[in-house]
Amino acid sequence: KNQVEQSPQSLIILEGKNCTLQCNYTVSPFSNLRWYKQDTGRGPVSLTIMTFSENTKSNGRYTATLDADTKQSSLHITASQLSDSASYICVVSVRGSSNTGKLIFGQGTTLQVKP
Amino acid sequence: DAGITQSPRYKITETGRQVTLMCHQTWSHSYMFWYRQDLGHGLRLIYYSAAADITDKGEVPDGYVVSRSKTENFPLTLESATRSQTSVYFCASSRTSGTSYEQYFGPGTRLTVT
Repeated sequence: KNQVEQSPQSLIILEGKNCTLQCNYTVSPFSNLRWYKQDTGRGPVSLTIMTFSENTKSNGRYTATLDADTKQSSLHITASQLSDSASYICVVSVRGSSNTGKLIFGQGTTLQVKP
Repeated sequence: DAGITQSPRYKITETGRQVTLMCHQTWSHSYMFWYRQDLGHGLRLIYYSAAADITDKGEVPDGYVVSRSKTENFPLTLESATRSQTSVYFCASSRTSGTSYEQYFGPGTRLTVT
């Protein structure tokens, strides 16, 4: 069964600190992995998309890594800011499914950054 | 540039009533999607549409109806609302097919069925 699991479920850090969110998946065949940020009361917004051949991708203070062998991904946030408080969702796309909506969503990690 | 909008943002309805959630995008994207988001679950696909007049079921289509007469609009109708349909509903769109596409999400509609 295709699944995406994220950890931790929630996280509280102090402003300025770094943190790393984890994503494990059992999706086959794999196409790409993306991280979304979802602010409270808003829709998800894409942070990064990584294909099988990419193992690191950055977007400002966000750096995503992908290990396709172990089927793990992480999202590292550097020098956190209050505006980073949000839910972060890991999403894996199934290869060969065209645009039929074969996105497998994780449940998300809720990050709270405190001053 | 409005992007993708949803209306209403909040809706309370009674069990058994019909309710329609609207989705409108200004990018002329071919593909549009409806998801629901519930605590304890990742987003789950209800229906999607590849183009005007082309729709197909997703993971959890029961109790929902969609139509797409115009490229920019993709309404979702709950024909007879049930409490289990209390959820946050997100509409999304993407420009092309293929597994590297980017999906853009609307702000969501919070629906409560009493």
